[in-house]
Amino acid sequence: SQKIEQNSEALNIQEGKTATLTCNYTNYSPAYLQWYRQDPGRGPVFLLLIRENEKEKRKERLKVTFDTTLKQSLFHITASQPADSATYLCALVRNAGNMLTFGGGTRLMVKP
Amino acid sequence: NAGVTQTPKFQVLKTGQSMTLQCAQDMNHEYMSWYRQDPGMGLRLIHYSVGAGITDQGEVPNGYNVSRSTTEDFPLRLLSAAPSQTSVYFCASSYSLGRGAGTGELFFGEGSRLTVL
Repeated sequence: SQKIEQNSEALNIQEGKTATLTCNYTNYSPAYLQWYRQDPGRGPVFLLLIRENEKEKRKERLKVTFDTTLKQSLFHITASQPADSATYLCALVRNAGNMLTFGGGTRLMVKP
Repeated sequence: NAGVTQTPKFQVLKTGQSMTLQCAQDMNHEYMSWYRQDPGMGLRLIHYSVGAGITDQGEVPNGYNVSRSTTEDFPLRLLSAAPSQTSVYFCASSYSLGRGAGTGELFFGEGSRLTVL
């Protein structure tokens, strides 16, 4: 069966360090992968997209990598801040690009 | 520009009751979708639409009905609510998802929290 797996345990890091979150998938051939941020009681907000033919994408302090051989995406936040504390979701598009399927999300806690 | 608006924000139902969750977007997006979010289960796609008059099933469509008579509106109907439908429901829309172009970014509403007793 198709699965998108993110670490369900919270990631706790110290302010200023780099946070690295993992998204693994099986039985997919995604056209692209997206990352979203979700704050408590709010809807998810889009952060970045990376396509299957791209290895890395950057946006300010965010960096996403995509390894279609390992079937894995890594999401990095450099110089992390307490305001980065949230749940981060990865999502893959499938079914001719009409369905976006989400992983379970990883909660990030950045401590001052 | 309000984005995606969901109503109601909170609702309590009794088993067997019916209700409609409303969703409207003012961004002229062709693509709209409904997800439910449960602890430990992440976001699961219920139904989606790629344009007015066109709807299709997602991963967990049973117990839910949708229609798309206009580009702006995409209501979700629960015909006979069950306790298993207790969840947070999110409506989302996109300009480019389904077109193979752009970022396919989904714009989400703030959620509707439904409790079925």
